[in-house]
Amino acid sequence: KQEVTQIPAALSVPEGENLVLNCSFTDSAIYNLQWFRQDPGKGLTSLLLIQSSQREQTSGRLNASLDKSSGRSTLYIAASQPGDSATYLCAAPNTGNQFYFGTGTSLTVIP
Amino acid sequence: ETGVTQSPTHLIKTRGQQVTLRCSSQSGHNTVSWYQQALGQGPQFIFQYYREEENGRGNFPPRFSGLQFPNYSSELNVNALELDDSALYLCASSLGGSGAETQYFGPGTRLLVL
Repeated sequence: KQEVTQIPAALSVPEGENLVLNCSFTDSAIYNLQWFRQDPGKGLTSLLLIQSSQREQTSGRLNASLDKSSGRSTLYIAASQPGDSATYLCAAPNTGNQFYFGTGTSLTVIP
Repeated sequence: ETGVTQSPTHLIKTRGQQVTLRCSSQSGHNTVSWYQQALGQGPQFIFQYYREEENGRGNFPPRFSGLQFPNYSSELNVNALELDDSALYLCASSLGGSGAETQYFGPGTRLLVL
């Protein structure tokens, strides 16, 4: 069974700082690696999807990387803003159509 | 283009009761997945429906069941509710059931079992 771990569980940074969130997974037989954002009590918003054949994907201030061989993905957020405060989740769907999520990193950006 | 919608937004039930949660998929999507998210945890995969057939199931007991209708909307039914079923229930729609597609999530239904 796939196990997805996210470190750190919580992170607090001052506005403007660059930061990195980490995601690791145990089974490299994944279709892709997806990053989501969740605001308190809300559903998930898709941020980035990296196909298993890709190394990275970028959207605005966000950059996600994928290293299947080491079972790791990172989400880099540049020039953080208070509006970035949320929980960030990574998910790895395997060939059995099952989506395995990490427990998330709770990010607080301090103005 | 409408997004994924879920109803109701909140629900309170007592132990032993049954509940039905509903999800309307995003326009054009034929796949719906259901997740249970306990407080402080990541979502746990319950099952997926692709073109009205179950297309994968997580580690949940049979009292969790589902349906997908011809218009690709879906229901999650939970029988004999237990206190531990209290959670945010999320549905997500996608085009295709291979797991390779982006999933679009609804706002969730928060269920409280007393």
